[in-house]
Amino acid sequence: GEDVEQSLFLSVREGDSSVINCTYTDSSSTYLYWYKQEPGAGLQLLTYIFSNMDMKQDQRLTVLLNKKDKHLSLRIADTQTGDSAIYFCAERNQGGKLIFGQGTELSVKP
Amino acid sequence: GAVVSQHPSWVICKSGTSVKIECRSLDFQATTMFWYRQFPKQSLMLMATSNEGSKATYEQGVEKDKFLINHASLTLSTLTVTSAHPEDSSFYICSARDRGSRFGGANTGELFFGEGSRLTVL
Repeated sequence: GEDVEQSLFLSVREGDSSVINCTYTDSSSTYLYWYKQEPGAGLQLLTYIFSNMDMKQDQRLTVLLNKKDKHLSLRIADTQTGDSAIYFCAERNQGGKLIFGQGTELSVKP
Repeated sequence: GAVVSQHPSWVICKSGTSVKIECRSLDFQATTMFWYRQFPKQSLMLMATSNEGSKATYEQGVEKDKFLINHASLTLSTLTVTSAHPEDSSFYICSARDRGSRFGGANTGELFFGEGSRLTVL
């Protein structure tokens, strides 16, 4: 079946880079997404990558996709305290539904 | 960017009452909306897919008669939790797909999420 896995917690110091990892099982995924959720709020789309791409960079965000290993990562450069949130990766299956990981809680310490 | 609004943001009700949550796409049309449920510190669980002008498609294990979904227009879907009980307390989030969303000619299927509605049943 479809499954998306993430580590639950990540703690970094302000100014360092953060790398959040995600693995998925559905090799037919078309798009993969990263969402950010702040406490008590909905999800905000940060970035996405098409499955035939290896990398996508958008300002401080870099997404790497290893399709062979079904591994997705999100790197946040120069992490700030405002980046503290829960980050969800999600894959879009062939039916068009999004399958979410459990979310990684990023804590940024000053 | 596209905006999805949910109302109410939070609601407290007595056990046995029904609660309606609205999800509106403010600046785009959405033929498809999705309803999720999220427990504390957990991921989003897809409950149902709401299709404009037709019946909703429910995920396995979700009670259709408990969670009534109506998608009466291209900008509004509602979720009604009927005869709510304490175990229905949760954070409910809707999302909508902009049917006109295009990036470089390809529809990325981008979903826009509402702010969520926190339901507490006493």
